[in-house]
Amino acid sequence: TQLLEQSPQFLSIQEGENLTVYCNSSSVFSSLQWYRQEPGEGPVLLVTVVTGGEVKKLKRLTFQFGDARKDSSLHITAAQPGDTGLYLCAGARGGATNKLIFGTGTLLAVQP
Amino acid sequence: NAGVMQNPRHLVRRRGQEARLRCSPMKGHSHVYWYRQLPEEGLKFMVYLQKENIIDESGMPKERFSAEFPKEGPSILRIQQVVRGDSAAYFCASSPTRGLSSYNEQFFGPGTRLTVL
Repeated sequence: TQLLEQSPQFLSIQEGENLTVYCNSSSVFSSLQWYRQEPGEGPVLLVTVVTGGEVKKLKRLTFQFGDARKDSSLHITAAQPGDTGLYLCAGARGGATNKLIFGTGTLLAVQP
Repeated sequence: NAGVMQNPRHLVRRRGQEARLRCSPMKGHSHVYWYRQLPEEGLKFMVYLQKENIIDESGMPKERFSAEFPKEGPSILRIQQVVRGDSAAYFCASSPTRGLSSYNEQFFGPGTRLTVL
């Protein structure tokens, strides 16, 4: 059972366009993290959101955590070829383990 | 400020051999997580360790897989008698002592790509 569904699965856009990636679940998470992974490398942490409704900005990237802490979105403004990669959301339920449950991933390709 | 280190980056084993994957967490981090990324699948949790303790191994296959995080040295993920289905990328992540962070932030290493022939 996949607890975190990401959409879209694939996205190919032109440089300068805007895009939004969604991460949805029926479960509540204590925190949610967004990562970007490039081929042959490990995921790189972009941001952590912990409060329902929280919005965080990282240059051209805007992250939002849903009010009920069940979903999140990542919006990229004026995408650049360097944004190309696999974007992963990962939720933690807290407790003794705090293991991450990863989303299905969104593969983004930004064409110059 | 070194990040999480994993070695080897690539490992080739024949069926029936043993694979040992090493992970050195970031400086100051005492929590280690192992995840597996199978081809065409997402990252899946395997095990969570603190120094000398296995806290949660609910994601570990019941047989052939073991993990340790000794008092000194790196964390080790060991796979005995490997089979072709074990071929995957194995990632280690570390996080700081829980008391220093109100939420869990995990930082990943570059991974070990295991190929079983």
